[in-house]
Amino acid sequence: EMQLVESGGGLVQPGGSLRLSCAASGFFFSFYDIHWVRQGPGKGLEWVASIGTAGDTFYSDSVKGRFTISREHAKNSSYLQMNTLRAGDTAVYYCTRSTDALTGFDSWGQGTVVTVSS
Amino acid sequence: SYELTQPPSVSVSPGQTASITCSGDKLGEKFTWWYQQKPGQSPVMIIYQDFKRPSGIPERFSASNSGSTATLTISGTQAMDEAVYYCQAWDTTTAVFGTGTTVTV
Repeated sequence: EMQLVESGGGLVQPGGSLRLSCAASGFFFSFYDIHWVRQGPGKGLEWVASIGTAGDTFYSDSVKGRFTISREHAKNSSYLQMNTLRAGDTAVYYCTRSTDALTGFDSWGQGTVVTVSS
Repeated sequence: SYELTQPPSVSVSPGQTASITCSGDKLGEKFTWWYQQKPGQSPVMIIYQDFKRPSGIPERFSASNSGSTATLTISGTQAMDEAVYYCQAWDTTTAVFGTGTTVTV
């Protein structure tokens, strides 16, 4: 059974950093693009970042320059390094996958909660 | 930046048909996807590439995309279909989600 399991969320002060992890299992990780999507409290879905199978990366304007997405094929994992965090980054962060670039997100993790507050 | 607009809410009686629109500039020239999210759960893809249903998604879910509007239709709506529905498309290399529509049965 395929799974995406996020971890690393927590409470962090404004200006702080956090690293999220996404562990994949049950499918051939290297064949899929990986994405991070977030959902603020009571809000809709917001795409954050994507990484292709070859390591090409894309970011939303709201996180560009502050967040870095990466992947480690040997560990079937993706990471989201989040720096200079703001209150507006408070959200549930989901890891999701797609079969290739510019397609939909066919499987999602359960999410990890990030709270930015002093 | 590209935007996708959905009605905030749709109310439907059990067994009736619910239609949810998603509007965006020249949306019909892009592929759209639809996701269902129930309270406390992660989103689930229910439509891909405008009208296709992933395996396991009931036939009562259908969709179309033309002009500037994509439409998700739920025929014979059931109580279990109460959820928030999001459309999604790509604007070059940026994924864009619709504003979300709460369906109340």
